[in-house]
Amino acid sequence: AQSVTQLDSHVSVSEGTPVLLRCNYSSSYSPSLFWYVQHPNKGLQLLLKYTSAATLVKGINGFEAEFKKSETSFHLTKPSAHMSDAAEYFCVVRPSGTYKYIFGTGTRLKVLA
Amino acid sequence: DTGVSQDPRHKITKRGQNVTFRCDPISEHNRLYWYRQTLGQGPEFLTYFQNEAQLEKSRLLSDRFSAERPKGSFSTLEIQRTEQGDSAMYLCASSTLPGPQETQYFGPGTRLLVL
Repeated sequence: AQSVTQLDSHVSVSEGTPVLLRCNYSSSYSPSLFWYVQHPNKGLQLLLKYTSAATLVKGINGFEAEFKKSETSFHLTKPSAHMSDAAEYFCVVRPSGTYKYIFGTGTRLKVLA
Repeated sequence: DTGVSQDPRHKITKRGQNVTFRCDPISEHNRLYWYRQTLGQGPEFLTYFQNEAQLEKSRLLSDRFSAERPKGSFSTLEIQRTEQGDSAMYLCASSTLPGPQETQYFGPGTRLLVL
């Protein structure tokens, strides 16, 4: 069965330091992978997506993610955290040939001043 | 704002009552999805429409739940005889472009509390 594992439920970083949110997936051949962010009382916003093109994907707000097939990972990074990055982040897999999104359990990012 | 909208944003009801939520997708999107998100969890797929046809329902969607999209535009999700376990955030998403490039755009959700 396809699944997504977000390895950390909570991550705390200081403002200006790098962010790493980890995601591993299990899926069939050539899944599509996404990262979404959810701010309190707001809808899920797409950060970036991987759909079998370049393995390093750049998204909005300085975030990027690298698809590593050998490690079945799709970790989200940002060089320098900003206070406004504090939110819940979800890694999502869509197995090839399907329309269903399978969400991870989320990682809550806290940014310390 | 041309994003996905949902109404109401919050609903408090007593156990046993019926509730109905509405979702208005992005206008040119022919695919519409409903998800449920409970505290501390990621959203879980409930059902999917392509135009007015409901093509799949999750096993999470008990007989008390029904969803419609009568004209292929807005959709409604009704829960009959609500139970406390139905308390959750109900999210709607829409998309177009079937295939690898398909991306779902989410609404702000309707938060349901069943007392």
